Amino acid sequence: QVQLVESGGGLVKPGGSLRLSCAASGFTFSHYYMGWIRQAPGKGLEWVSYISYISTSGSSNTIYYADSVKGRFTISRDNAENSLYLQMNSLRAEDTAVYYCARLGYGSNYPLDNWGQGTLVTVSS
Amino acid sequence: EIVLTQSPGTLSLSPGERATLSCRASQSVNSYYLAWYQQKRGQAPRLLIYGASSRVTGIPDRFSGSGSGTDFTLTISRLEPEDFAVYYCQQYGSSPYTFGQGTKLEIK
Repeated sequence: QVQLVESGGGLVKPGGSLRLSCAASGFTFSHYYMGWIRQAPGKGLEWVSYISYISTSGSSNTIYYADSVKGRFTISRDNAENSLYLQMNSLRAEDTAVYYCARLGYGSNYPLDNWGQGTLVTVSS
Repeated sequence: EIVLTQSPGTLSLSPGERATLSCRASQSVNSYYLAWYQQKRGQAPRLLIYGASSRVTGIPDRFSGSGSGTDFTLTISRLEPEDFAVYYCQQYGSSPYTFGQGTKLEIK
């Protein structure tokens, strides 16, 4: 069955960095768009970023970032390792949230059909 | 950006009753691209409905989705104790793909 397992969360000071990882199994990872969604404590769901399924020769992945993280966060994937990553720099208090890794489909116009259990990022001095 | 407004914010009902949750969009959403998720306390969201009305395999048939354009509805025909949770709608047809703010379904 599909499994998504996030790791890398923790407590970090404002201005600091963290790298989140998501280990995927149970499906052909390289065929799917993948994304990160976050949820601040007691709040709703917010898109962070997504990345397309494969980089074709001579072209780059299709990548989306929410305006709130653009220029600070970088999404990447390693299809050989079945892993998704989120490099988070210049962290702010408002980035405090549970970060979920989720699977889209063969394009971005798909619902999020599988989610990880989430990893908590706390930005505080 | 398409803003999704869910109502009510909180719905208090008893097991066995019918629940009707609303999701209104600030502009028209292609019905193919409207989803509903359920989130229980301390858990990740779970996809229930996609394409406005298609149930995910394994989701009980007491859950149904309907609607088009700017007005969408999630209906739970007879509430079971495990249905009390927070429900989110999401549109994935127009980037940025947005979520509603959620409806909390609580036991009366």
